[in-house]
Amino acid sequence: NAGVTQTPKFQVLKTGQSMTLQCAQDMNHEYMSWYRQDPGMGLRLIHYSVGAGITDQGEVPNGYNVSRSTTEDFPLRLLSAAPSQTSVYFCASSYRDNTEAFFGQGTRLTVV
Amino acid sequence: GDSVTQMEGPVTLSEEAFLTINCTYTATGYPSLFWYVQYPGEGLQLLLKATKADDKGSNKGFEATYRKETTSFHLEKGSVQVSDSAVYFCALSPGNQGGKLIFGQGTELSVKP
Repeated sequence: NAGVTQTPKFQVLKTGQSMTLQCAQDMNHEYMSWYRQDPGMGLRLIHYSVGAGITDQGEVPNGYNVSRSTTEDFPLRLLSAAPSQTSVYFCASSYRDNTEAFFGQGTRLTVV
Repeated sequence: GDSVTQMEGPVTLSEEAFLTINCTYTATGYPSLFWYVQYPGEGLQLLLKATKADDKGSNKGFEATYRKETTSFHLEKGSVQVSDSAVYFCALSPGNQGGKLIFGQGTELSVKP
């Protein structure tokens, strides 16, 4: 069972560059989310999706874009990277509300 | 809006000591409550959950009871092991919001032999 797979695991970007963080799940979950983890702040929700073609903003959406063309994939795009986006990013999926969320291994992103 | 507050860490304990990590929440509806654990270099894993008031979640010797009257969901374990060293996150799910979770800031636990 692969579960939730995130790529890459590590990335260094220069300010102003763009990139896409990939997330795929093989559990046929409808709900998928992106979080960022910063020291002392827990995890904060960036964007989430309740199914293919449906996305919505979370707590900290600025500077990020998402789309959900299939149930399996939920990529996160950084449009123009800034040092404030240096963080660890986690993708998660769940079957429905109030059920266990499964997390990927994370992507550690550094913007210089 | 909804929020979760955890006791600050880091917490350092000796093996076999009793563990309590405090968690309180603010929510307008009837959330579900979770504890997730993050081992070094890994993603988060569900430790336990409770979906309604007075429910007790338990797993691997850890327990937490959903207390609506005190808006709390404190994590306890009677005898910690070195292998319990990790970061623990309390979280709530508001319900009917796409499975999204609201996390506390995390508490780092270090257990010494």
